[in-house]
Amino acid sequence: SQQGEEDPQALSIQEGENATMNCSYKTSINNLQWYRQNSGRGLVHLILIRSNEREKHSGRLRVTLDTSKKSSSLLITASRAADTASYFCAFNGGSQGNLIFGKGTKLSVKP
Amino acid sequence: DAGITQSPRHKVTETGTPVTLRCHQTENHRYMYWYRQDPGHGLRLIHYSYGVKDTDKGEVSDGYSVSRSKTEDFLLTLESATSSQTSVYFCAISGLKVDIQYFGAGTRLSVL
Repeated sequence: SQQGEEDPQALSIQEGENATMNCSYKTSINNLQWYRQNSGRGLVHLILIRSNEREKHSGRLRVTLDTSKKSSSLLITASRAADTASYFCAFNGGSQGNLIFGKGTKLSVKP
Repeated sequence: DAGITQSPRHKVTETGTPVTLRCHQTENHRYMYWYRQDPGHGLRLIHYSYGVKDTDKGEVSDGYSVSRSKTEDFLLTLESATSSQTSVYFCAISGLKVDIQYFGAGTRLSVL
């Protein structure tokens, strides 16, 4: 399978702590994206990092990309209860160049 | 949900019956996708479209067909529903193939 692998599968932290999620993939990529899914809702795009970038920030989000290790990480700083959701990485790894989604990390932030 | 409407939002049907799910967009995006989401599998691509009447298969296309007669509408049809097609189905759109995708709210389908 070309699906990405997120690690950990589930993460439980206290409000104010940082949350780090990792994604590994197997193919060459043009970009890697992270999405969030709240319970019962569709996925929402968070951030895109291109293959020639190593780090990108957006508000409390920091994404890193290491193409030599074929891995990416998403850091959420000073987490809030509202950050409770599942987080997915996605990359263009399909045979037709379609986005391939990982299985997700379920983050629970406790007040 | 970024100008994307999925209908119905919930459906319960019986094995062997045909089912059609609709995705409607108001963004005039070229690409439209149908995914299914199942526990332990994440999001898997069923079919996608890159223009009116232009469609192609994804990773899990068996048992599904699609049609796109207008830019704004992408239909997913289960010709004869099976219990293994019980899932949550998401439609997504994008301007470019590897660009950001925008998702609908999903359709929860139960095949009894």
